[in-house]
Amino acid sequence: GEDVEQSLFLSVREGDSSVINCTYTDSSSTYLYWYKQEPGAGLQLLTYIFSNMDMKQDQRLTVLLNKKDKHLSLRIADTQTGDSAIYFCAESGGYGGATNKLIFGTGTLLAVQP
Amino acid sequence: DTEVTQTPKHLVMGMTNKKSLKCEQHMGHRAMYWYKQKAKKPPELMFVYSYEKLSINESVPSRFSPECPNSSLLNLHLHALQPEDSALYLCASSQAGGGSPLHFGNGTRLTVT
Repeated sequence: GEDVEQSLFLSVREGDSSVINCTYTDSSSTYLYWYKQEPGAGLQLLTYIFSNMDMKQDQRLTVLLNKKDKHLSLRIADTQTGDSAIYFCAESGGYGGATNKLIFGTGTLLAVQP
Repeated sequence: DTEVTQTPKHLVMGMTNKKSLKCEQHMGHRAMYWYKQKAKKPPELMFVYSYEKLSINESVPSRFSPECPNSSLLNLHLHALQPEDSALYLCASSQAGGGSPLHFGNGTRLTVT
């Protein structure tokens, strides 16, 4: 079955880099996503990567994909207090027509210390 | 700012009440979703509409009834809920096409008393 795992908590100092890790089990996943959720809010799409890519960079965000090990990571450079949130990785559990069924990871709480 | 708008932001209802959650998007997306999220947990899929037709029902109890009046609107009708149904209800939409990411609203915080 599909299962997406993340570490529960990460604490970093402001200005440092943060690396949030995710492992997934469905080798047929073709798209993988990172979402951010601030307290009391919905999920904000940060970035996503197609499985034929190893890396994708978008400003302070770098996504690395190791398809062999089914490992996905999100690196946030120069982490700021505003980056404090829960980060969810997600894999595409299947799509057809207009539908994209996402399987979410357990979420990682990122705490940024000033 | 989110391009998926959900109302109301907060809702408190009794177990005998009937209420509705509303969701609207104007991005031309042809898939719309309802998710339920309990505290400190990932979102769980409830329903998916594709081209205004219900395509996925994740074995959700019948006290939750979805409706898609048109391609921009999605409703979730609630009746005879239980206290354990208290959660954040998230609406999302996505473009047609494989792997298109979901765009979420800010959710409705539902409390059942």
